[in-house]
Amino acid sequence: AQSVTQLGSHVSVSEGALVLLRCNYSSSVPPYLFWYVQYPNQGLQLLLKYTSAATLVKGINGFEAEFKKSETSFHLTKPSAHMSDAAEYFCAVSEGTGANNLFFGTGTRLTVIP
Amino acid sequence: GAVVSQHPSWVICKSGTSVKIECRSLDFQATTMFWYRQFPKQSLMLMATSNEGSKATYEQGVEKDKFLINHASLTLSTLTVTSAHPEDSSFYICSARDGGLTYNEQFFGPGTRLTVL
Repeated sequence: AQSVTQLGSHVSVSEGALVLLRCNYSSSVPPYLFWYVQYPNQGLQLLLKYTSAATLVKGINGFEAEFKKSETSFHLTKPSAHMSDAAEYFCAVSEGTGANNLFFGTGTRLTVIP
Repeated sequence: GAVVSQHPSWVICKSGTSVKIECRSLDFQATTMFWYRQFPKQSLMLMATSNEGSKATYEQGVEKDKFLINHASLTLSTLTVTSAHPEDSSFYICSARDGGLTYNEQFFGPGTRLTVL
């Protein structure tokens, strides 16, 4: 069975500082991993995804994530936070060759301090 | 890119009435659509998975007679909340997946906020 743990329900960073959002997964088979962003009262937008290709995945808006099998982690980073990055971020995992059932973490709310 | 729309974006209804939410894939054929529910400040919980032309598969604990899902075409799925009660108030989000190159990705709609008075 798959599961996702996001450490830290709230993360605050100063504008221009490094953003690090943590995600650890559990999966009995090689996983597909995703990071989504959600702005208030909106649906989810895909930031990036890992699908068994390169372990360092680059996404939109300057975000990237690294798949580390030995640590079962898929942490999201961005070198320099922008005010517009303030949102809720969800890590998700699915098993198999397609986006079947996505299992979401509990989310991390990112606040960017000016 | 693939676009998924939902209608309405928000709805308020009286207790005991039924509400229908539409999910459409605008520029691709969605062989599979998913319905999620999100409570305030919580994560998304999968309610059901529907494949075009087939009965939906509901997750454990989701009442299929209360949350009716129809996926009659490759571009439209509907979720009907029957005899809605205040505890059904939530944010409902659909997603869609096609069988093409983006098979390993779900595209999400903007969500529908349901408030039951």
